[in-house]
Amino acid sequence: SQTIHQWPATLVQPVGSPLSLECTVEGTSNPNLYWYRQAAGRGLQLLFYSVGIGQISSEVPQNLSASRPQDRQFILSSKKLLLSDSGFYLCAWSAGGLETQYFGPGTRLLVL
Amino acid sequence: GQQLNQSPQSMFIQEGEDVSMNCTSSSIFNTWLWYKQEPGEGPVLLIALYKAGELTSNGRLTAQFGITRKDSFLNISASIPSDVGIYFCAGQKSGDYKLSFGAGTTVTVRA
Repeated sequence: SQTIHQWPATLVQPVGSPLSLECTVEGTSNPNLYWYRQAAGRGLQLLFYSVGIGQISSEVPQNLSASRPQDRQFILSSKKLLLSDSGFYLCAWSAGGLETQYFGPGTRLLVL
Repeated sequence: GQQLNQSPQSMFIQEGEDVSMNCTSSSIFNTWLWYKQEPGEGPVLLIALYKAGELTSNGRLTAQFGITRKDSFLNISASIPSDVGIYFCAGQKSGDYKLSFGAGTTVTVRA
């Protein structure tokens, strides 16, 4: 069966520091991968998605970036965090050609 | 982005009551999905709908894909305390990798 992992689970970072969040998927090949951000008490905002290694589509302009160095690895990064980057970051995957997305456990980021 | 109108925004329900929530859109979707999110966790898929008019159940949950393909509803029968959480609808258009999400319905159950 397929599983999706995210780490760290919780992160507290100072403003201006770099960020690296990792997401990995097991049990499937060539998944579509997605990064979402969820502000407290709000819905899900799609940040990036990837349909293959090295292929990244950005949905919203921001100081975050994403990379997909391996088939089942998706990384969310920032060179300098802003206070507004605080939130709950969710990674999701879907099988290529199928719509259903499955979410990871999330990373809670607090920028101080 | 969020193109779906989900209602109600929140609800307090008595244990044992039936609950209904819905999502509407001005666009046609080929797939409707319903997720539940508990505090501090990622959303978990409850029901997936792929065909207009489709009615699907998962235990006490029932969801329907509207005939117009612009709406969907989720019913929870005989609610219990563990039904607490935020329920999200999501829709996908033909040929699009992305999902559009509703803003969520927060369900709180009174024992």
